Amino acid sequence: DQQVKQNSPSLSVQEGRISILNCDYTNSMFDYFLWYKKYPAEGPTFLISISSIKDKNEDGRFTVFLNKSAKHLSLHIVPSQPGDSAVYFCAAENQAGTALIFGKGTTLSVSS
Amino acid sequence: DAGVIQSPRHEVTEMGQEVTLRCKPISGHDYLFWYRQTMMRGLELLIYFNNNVPIDDSGMPEDRFSAKMPNASFSTLKIQPSEPRDSAVYFCASSSTDSSSYNEQFFGPGTRLTVL
Repeated sequence: DQQVKQNSPSLSVQEGRISILNCDYTNSMFDYFLWYKKYPAEGPTFLISISSIKDKNEDGRFTVFLNKSAKHLSLHIVPSQPGDSAVYFCAAENQAGTALIFGKGTTLSVSS
Repeated sequence: DAGVIQSPRHEVTEMGQEVTLRCKPISGHDYLFWYRQTMMRGLELLIYFNNNVPIDDSGMPEDRFSAKMPNASFSTLKIQPSEPRDSAVYFCASSSTDSSSYNEQFFGPGTRLTVL
């Protein structure tokens, strides 16, 4: 049973537009969330994170929003660029604070 | 730093053969994780170590899978005997409790395993 769900396997966006990637989780005890980005033939790399004490964290073109009551977070990329085309994984830190639980990923394609 | 190093990058083997995947974590990191990525299940945590000690192996699918970390700079994931359904990309990752980026894990490039 997936504790972290990314229900959209893929997303296509035009260059310059906003990309919104969504993630839902089931365990209300999760209190730290991360987004990873993965290019083909490479390992995932850390992108941005958010603690449950915040509802927004911004880093350049990337912003993560957290809605604790809905157990939902989203990653906004604006403006989207062709180089953003990759698989994006949402992850939640386990309750022990020692490991991450990943979603299945969303493949983002940004066309020029 | 060279980052997390995994070998081999690609492995093709026949059903029933033993497969050993290798990982060298980032120096100084005290956590090491093994993941498996498939289309159906995404990125699954198989097992993780803290200071070379296995902490949680509940993600290991079957007894055919085993992992060891004999020292702080080396870990192996072994599948014996291998089966076609083990075909996947296996990632190793490491992290440090001293990291300024809380719980950020650094991933290796992965080993693509194909079992025929």
